[in-house]
Amino acid sequence: AQKVTQAQTEISVVEKEDVTLDCVYETRDTTYYLFWYKQPPSGELVFLIRRNSFDEQNEISGRYSWNFQKSTSSFNFTITASQVVDSAVYFCALSRGGADGLTFGKGTHLIIQP
Amino acid sequence: DSGVTQTPKHLITATGQRVTLRCSPRSGDLSVYWYQQSLDQGLQFLIQYYNGEERAKGNILERFSAQQFPDLHSELNLSSLELGDSALYFCASSASQTEEAYEQYFGPGTRLTVT
Repeated sequence: AQKVTQAQTEISVVEKEDVTLDCVYETRDTTYYLFWYKQPPSGELVFLIRRNSFDEQNEISGRYSWNFQKSTSSFNFTITASQVVDSAVYFCALSRGGADGLTFGKGTHLIIQP
Repeated sequence: DSGVTQTPKHLITATGQRVTLRCSPRSGDLSVYWYQQSLDQGLQFLIQYYNGEERAKGNILERFSAQQFPDLHSELNLSSLELGDSALYFCASSASQTEEAYEQYFGPGTRLTVT
């Protein structure tokens, strides 16, 4: 069975601080896909990134960066120079591919204080 | 705006009733997924359709059913509703179904309240 663990239930930082959200996954599949989604207070789920298990390159997109390490089954997300607008619940998710639905973690509630 | 639409936005109904939630995927997307988000269970995958055919089932109750129509819109039917069915129901769509898992784009959700 697949499982995603986001151990940090809530993180609160002051604006402009860097913050890392942890994601640890469990799967027996050799091919799998990892995702991060953002759920702002308005409630919609916004896609941030997809990564497949064969690509361990880290990715940077503006203030966002992702660190994928198969050796530790982790796919962590870092926000650099955080802003109030980054306040949201962030979900890490896992899929086998094909028709498989996403297995989500419980989410990390990120609060950026001005 | 993800391009996925869901109606209604809010729904309030009584226990024992039946409701239908509607979803229109992004233009060109053939796959539709349904998810339930509740405080105790978190985000759970319910069911997936591809071009009108059911392809995968998750934690969907027998009281729930879904279908995808020829115009690719999908409906999720919830019957014999219980208080515990109160949740946010999301629809998502993705580009295609191959062995890869493409990113899923989520609609705004339907907030169901069962009283």
